[in-house]
Amino acid sequence: IVLTQSPGTLTLSPGERATLSCRASQSISANSLSWYQHNPGQAPRLLIYGASNRAAGVSDRFSGSASGTDFNLTISRLEPEDFAVYYCQQYGDSPPITFGQGTRLEIK
Amino acid sequence: QVQPVESGGGVVQPGRSLRLSCATSEFAFINYATHWVRQAPGRGLEWVGVISYDGTYTSSSDSVKGRFTISRDNSQNTVSLQMSSLRVEDTAVYFCAKESHTLLSKFFDLWGRGTLVTVSS
Repeated sequence: IVLTQSPGTLTLSPGERATLSCRASQSISANSLSWYQHNPGQAPRLLIYGASNRAAGVSDRFSGSASGTDFNLTISRLEPEDFAVYYCQQYGDSPPITFGQGTRLEIK
Repeated sequence: QVQPVESGGGVVQPGRSLRLSCATSEFAFINYATHWVRQAPGRGLEWVGVISYDGTYTSSSDSVKGRFTISRDNSQNTVSLQMSSLRVEDTAVYFCAKESHTLLSKFFDLWGRGTLVTVSS
């Protein structure tokens, strides 16, 4: 299963709304799709699991949705700390586990 | 939750071996599967492999199968990644990550900051 994220880079200003996309190459269960935030030099951070469930401690500005093979991560009002790289991940019944290639969210 | 800490990275020549460790002081860590994920320079995240909570099951990606071995010592709260026959393309930051799950979903809820492995002659 290949996950394709778009766009590769998203340039926005603080306060704006960001929508990041992840498309699976074949049908997958929404339960298997997660989103992570990664700042260089730091540990990646789980944001969303099961396509739409926020992880503990994650701001409600982050939300996830699913429609068929398309998955979205939406950040409602960008804060300075949100500018990072975001990855979707598919983890089904068993390995292998796949990641999308990432979307870089940068400040305008 | 306490973040795991990876160690053992460094510079190694192609064809040689290196052993990475992932350690945590959190007792509950030993109750969960642990994964290794890597990020090559300028690239995204790539899953490397997994070991079950009790060490009885392992699986790895095709890119490292037969060369990398994952093991764990729950008495020491550590998980190891033994890498052999290293290639230049194995150069990456290596992360360990704790798996968690609900009834329906599996995901990585706690990651380390990674350790850098550079394979170069």
